[in-house]
Amino acid sequence: DAKTTQPPSMDCAEGRAANLPCNHSTISGNEYVYWYRQIHSQGPQYIIHGLKNNETNEMASLIITEDRKSSTLILPHATLRDTAVYYCIVISTGANNLFFGTGTRLTVIP
Amino acid sequence: GAVVSQHPSWVICKSGTSVKIECRSLDFQATTMFWYRQFPKQSLMLMATSNEGSKATYEQGVEKDKFLINHASLTLSTLTVTSAHPEDSSFYICSATRDRGTNTEAFFGQGTRLTVV
Repeated sequence: DAKTTQPPSMDCAEGRAANLPCNHSTISGNEYVYWYRQIHSQGPQYIIHGLKNNETNEMASLIITEDRKSSTLILPHATLRDTAVYYCIVISTGANNLFFGTGTRLTVIP
Repeated sequence: GAVVSQHPSWVICKSGTSVKIECRSLDFQATTMFWYRQFPKQSLMLMATSNEGSKATYEQGVEKDKFLINHASLTLSTLTVTSAHPEDSSFYICSATRDRGTNTEAFFGQGTRLTVV
């Protein structure tokens, strides 16, 4: 079963920051938080991941709470091409299963 | 970066025939490969976990005799949908993982759209 919960949908105005929350309250010490996004009829695309420190790359920033029970993906300046379903998943070392939750459908509005 | 290639990207087959989907890790040896099915407007549903050289582990409700998984090498896993029926029409996605120290990374193929007519 998926170990993450996310709001089913969100809207964001073009050019504004999109903040996508994820709850992973049962995360264990060796599990990383990964974010992917899926555009219609394509495979999931990697965005960013982290263990406990905040992370930033060219696509997004990841903020993980100190207790690691939740995280937020931040797209600093959303564009129309960022419209997609965003999935937050937790992956343990040597993962022998990889479950997806429902994800958040982000719609960027012009 | 690591790439997972899935082939074909789409296929149309007649009812009763079998279809094979390939998943390759192009520049790394995959520790584990996963197969998913996705229906329209739904999330990815894990079907089975595949480890090289051993039998796949199927999730509850997934028929192992219908969805044959072969993982003959560290870079290739195949999913064969046997005696396909229209209800098997779906988007199938594979994933391959790579261990890097304490971190396990997951990479996904581009998906295969199967239509059974």
